[in-house]
Amino acid sequence: ETGVTQSPTHLIKTRGQQVTLRCSSQSGHNTVSWYQQALGQGPQFIFQYYREEENGRGNFPPRFSGLQFPNYSSELNVNALELDDSALYLCASSLATGLETQYFGPGTRLLVL
Amino acid sequence: AQSVTQPDIHITVSEGASLELRCNYSYGATPYLFWYVQSPGQGLQLLLKYFSGDTLVQGIKGFEAEFKRSQSSFNLRKPSVHWSDAAEYFCAVVPTGANNLFFGTGTRLTVIP
Repeated sequence: ETGVTQSPTHLIKTRGQQVTLRCSSQSGHNTVSWYQQALGQGPQFIFQYYREEENGRGNFPPRFSGLQFPNYSSELNVNALELDDSALYLCASSLATGLETQYFGPGTRLLVL
Repeated sequence: AQSVTQPDIHITVSEGASLELRCNYSYGATPYLFWYVQSPGQGLQLLLKYFSGDTLVQGIKGFEAEFKRSQSSFNLRKPSVHWSDAAEYFCAVVPTGANNLFFGTGTRLTVIP
């Protein structure tokens, strides 16, 4: 059984650019959640996808968008990057929504210059 | 305001000493409670969780946590710390009706020989 994987591991972009981060969920998991972890902070919920539909969203602007594919892998897209978008982006997968344990990937560290 | 508070930003303990990390929450109804650990360059790993029942919860790696409703607390403990326990520890909750985690700001644990 493979765990949650994320790509790329590190990324450097400039302000105004767009970025796509990818996440492969753990085998058998149909729910993917994305979190942003700024330096020195706890992760903050961006949104969740369940069976290819958005299933909840945190306090993030619309330039943060996502997709979930039929194989339950997921993408996080961020448009018009700002300096404050620099953070570790974590993906977590779970068997379902609600109280199912979320298993986290190692994250993608994004630096916006 | 609803929040998860970890009052200790950084704790240093000697190897073999006992450990207690504090977590307080402020929600109308008792949320579901979690402790995660994050090692450098790694994602988050679930240590233990509390949904209901026995207020003393056993987790992995020898950790335990005690839920105290009267104090709105869910403190993490370990009787004897190992050097490999050095990491960042996050308390998290899933409020009633939500399906995502809300994290505290974390406590960084340093273990000295």
